[in-house]
Amino acid sequence: AQTVTQSQPEMSVQEAETVTLSCTYDTSENNYYLFWYKQPPSRQMILVIRQEAYKQQNATENRFSVNFQKAAKSFSLKISDSQLGDTAMYFCAFMKRRGSQGNLIFGKGTKLSVKP
Amino acid sequence: ETGVTQTPRHLVMGMTNKKSLKCEQHLGHNAMYWYKQSAKKPLELMFVYSLEERVENNSVPSRFSPECPNSSHLFLHLHTLQPEDSALYLCASSQDLLVGGGQPQHFGDGTRLSIL
Repeated sequence: AQTVTQSQPEMSVQEAETVTLSCTYDTSENNYYLFWYKQPPSRQMILVIRQEAYKQQNATENRFSVNFQKAAKSFSLKISDSQLGDTAMYFCAFMKRRGSQGNLIFGKGTKLSVKP
Repeated sequence: ETGVTQTPRHLVMGMTNKKSLKCEQHLGHNAMYWYKQSAKKPLELMFVYSLEERVENNSVPSRFSPECPNSSHLFLHLHTLQPEDSALYLCASSQDLLVGGGQPQHFGDGTRLSIL
């Protein structure tokens, strides 16, 4: 069975600075997908970034980038130039490439606060 | 119209009541999901529907009964719930399960359910 661990329940960062959220996972699969989702207070969960495990290049989306270390089963999220609107719960998630039936395995989340 | 709409946003019910949660997606997706989000726990996948057929049921108690009349609508019928069922219930959709994994899921705002 797959598991996803986010070891930082809460973090804070000053506006305009950079912060890195950690995520590790455990799986025997070789091909899979990894995601970071963001859930602002009382708002919808939205996809931040997606990584395909068979691609070595780290995914980036504007100020958001990942450091994907397949051998270490690590998938950290870096947020550059933090903005107040980045305050949210961040969830790391895993999905098998085949036979997943859409089953996303989530971590417990990291609560990020961006301070002015 | 937002992509995935859930109603009601809040629901308070007694343990003997029967109620239903509704989810509607306007994205033309073929797969829909129900998740349970409890405090300090990872999101738990409850049910997955693909083209109106249930493809996943993660050992959910029978007091939760899903219904998917078409690919745009998903219901969760509730009866004889327990206090531990109080949680945020999230609906999500994705394009298609048949083309393989890794497709992002789009979430609704959720229904905050409180059991008295």
